[in-house]
Amino acid sequence: EVQVVESGGGFVQPGGSLRLSCTTSGFTFGDFPMSWFRQAPGKGLEWVSFIRRQASGGTTEYAASVKGRFTISRDDSKNIAYLQMNNLKTEDTAVYYCTRGGWADFWGQGTLVTVSS
Amino acid sequence: DIQMTQSPSAMSASVGDRVTITCRASQGINNYLAWFQHKPGKVPKRLIYAASSLQSGVPSRFSGSVSGTEFTLTISSLQPEDFATYYCLQHNSYPYTFGQGTKLEIK
Repeated sequence: EVQVVESGGGFVQPGGSLRLSCTTSGFTFGDFPMSWFRQAPGKGLEWVSFIRRQASGGTTEYAASVKGRFTISRDDSKNIAYLQMNNLKTEDTAVYYCTRGGWADFWGQGTLVTVSS
Repeated sequence: DIQMTQSPSAMSASVGDRVTITCRASQGINNYLAWFQHKPGKVPKRLIYAASSLQSGVPSRFSGSVSGTEFTLTISSLQPEDFATYYCLQHNSYPYTFGQGTKLEIK
C-alpha cells in the first residue's frame, strides 16, 4: 500500500524558515518524481514544486511565488522528499501536501504551515 | 503560463442529477489533465487522469472527456457523498495549474 506522510509544519514568523518532510512507503521511491502542493485558507489548490527522479537528473521546478525561497530535494536512500522553505511570508500560510508524481495519484494528509507575527 | 478556466465556480444539484463541470485550457496540454475531488478537512482524491481514464477504485458514475482544449468531468447520477469541491489540474507544462474549483452543493 502506497503511503505518503508529511511532517514539519508549524508556526513561524515572517522571514523565518521551515523544512517539510515527506516520508513514503509502498513503492520504489527512486523511480518516481515527487511534488508539493498547497492550499491556503479559503483558497483553491496550488502547485508549489516538483523534483524529477535521479535517473532524469533530479532536476527541479518551482512556482513563481516560491522560486528563490523554497528548495525541493530528495533522499532516495531514505524514501523522503523535502521542502526547505526560507524567507517565509504570510501568504505562504497553507496546508502543504506531498504527492507522488506531478500527476498526484497519491497524497499525504497534509501539514499546516502558519506564517504570522 | 497555461490558464485553466473552470466552470461553473459553484452549483447546486440534487441526488440523482447528472452534473458536468468544464475546464478550458488556454493552449494544448496533450491530455495531461486530471480531476480531483476535495472535501473539507480531507485529502484531495484523484478521480480521472489522462483526461478520460478512471482512477482505480473510483465509481463508474464519474467520467472524463475531452474535445480539443475543453475537458469535462461528468457525474452521471449524483450521490450524497459526491458533494464536494472539484478541481482540474494540467500537468503538461510548468507551472502546473489548477482550475479555480467548482463547489458542488446540495439543492
